[in-house]
Amino acid sequence: KAGVTQTPRYLIKTRGQQVTLSCSPISGHRSVSWYQQTPGQGLQFLFEYFSETQRNKGNFPGRFSGRQFSNSRSEMNVSTLELGDSALYLCASSSHYASTDTQYFGPGTRLTVL
Amino acid sequence: AQSVAQPEDQVNVAEGNPLTVKCTYSVSGNPYLFWYVQYPNRGLQFLLKYITGDNLVKGSYGFEAEFNKSQTSFHLKKPSALVSDSALYFCAVRDSFLGSSNTGKLIFGQGTTLQVKP
Repeated sequence: KAGVTQTPRYLIKTRGQQVTLSCSPISGHRSVSWYQQTPGQGLQFLFEYFSETQRNKGNFPGRFSGRQFSNSRSEMNVSTLELGDSALYLCASSSHYASTDTQYFGPGTRLTVL
Repeated sequence: AQSVAQPEDQVNVAEGNPLTVKCTYSVSGNPYLFWYVQYPNRGLQFLLKYITGDNLVKGSYGFEAEFNKSQTSFHLKKPSALVSDSALYFCAVRDSFLGSSNTGKLIFGQGTTLQVKP
């Protein structure tokens, strides 16, 4: 099976712009989660989607939003970019949202905000 | 609130020696624990998980982890380290959600850099 894919792999934006990141889960997986990784804050949870519904949300400002489509693919959007949004954004998929399910991560999208 | 701690920022071992990467946890309810590894410019790769049952969990690439409930620890181990094991290792615990345990959200430790020298 193909793994989790994320596009694009690298992005450079300037402050004030907006960006959309895409994630395609492993075939058959219906749950997608997003995480932000930075050197200072480590790995932080952004949101979790299952069957097109947001089930859980992390402690991020409203500039961060996401959605999931009927084919389980997910996008996240960051509006009005700030320098502090520079990070590696990781998407993970699992078959369901049970706590026992394993999440499999994609390679990430490296966002640089100038 | 659920949390995990990785007390060592870096662990150095010689190739062929056993390695241990430490992780302690704090949870309310059942602990569902995971180890992931991250190589430079890559995403996280799943190594192993503890859900229930045997306290010694075997995973990928020869890694194993020992769950110790009394010490609230879940240390990652490997009997013989390889140079190629050099990477960043993360311990994680499932969060609890609205009083239930059904959430995909993982809470990660700060990570431990493993350096294996030839």
